Amino acid sequence: EAQVTQNPRYLITVTGKKLTVTCSQNMNHEYMSWYRQDPGLGLRQIYYSMNVEVTDKGDVPEGYKVSRKEKRNFPLILESPSPNQTSLYFCASSLSWGLAGAASTDTQYFGPGTRLTVL
Amino acid sequence: AQSVTQLDSHVSVSEGTPVLLRCNYSSSYSPSLFWYVQHPNKGLQLLLKYTSAATLVKGINGFEAEFKKSETSFHLTKPSAHMSDAAEYFCVVSVKTSYDKVIFGPGTSLSVIP
Repeated sequence: EAQVTQNPRYLITVTGKKLTVTCSQNMNHEYMSWYRQDPGLGLRQIYYSMNVEVTDKGDVPEGYKVSRKEKRNFPLILESPSPNQTSLYFCASSLSWGLAGAASTDTQYFGPGTRLTVL
Repeated sequence: AQSVTQLDSHVSVSEGTPVLLRCNYSSSYSPSLFWYVQHPNKGLQLLLKYTSAATLVKGINGFEAEFKKSETSFHLTKPSAHMSDAAEYFCVVSVKTSYDKVIFGPGTSLSVIP
């Protein structure tokens, strides 16, 4: 079954304790992305990756790191979590990104979400 | 700058009546437009997308949306609401500027009254 998986689904941690949220897709997609969802703000993009070893900042990258060593995996790393990073996080993937000068028309497939609470 | 506005944070309709969820966008570039739905405690699922082909786009579960460039709108409609339509709906704009950009609207929560 084609899917995007995230782990853990729920996590409660304390300020400053490093954590990693894993994301994996089995569709051989080039493009992967992380979002956070907060009430009234919709989803905001944290980081994205257009292919292996190619990552770039989204709208809200502060306090986060990512890596893309393999095509299928795109972990999100919080080196020193703070309470303002309490949120619902989604990983997404799509087949590719847009051709030069054109926006992407590819559908993004989303993981089930990770609810993170930082105390 | 690019932006997406969803004019209603919450919409409530009776079962069997029409649904209208409004979305307006601002973009200096030719965008692709999407509607995604999020059911409670679930991830996001694509409803439909506009990719510069037909301006009236049909999606899953009886939803459709019309792209109106002159009004910079991409409103989502359904002729008859079903209880299972109760969810959060996100309008999304995808643009390619100096870097790739995906912009989500703040979402509209749809309630369906029996």
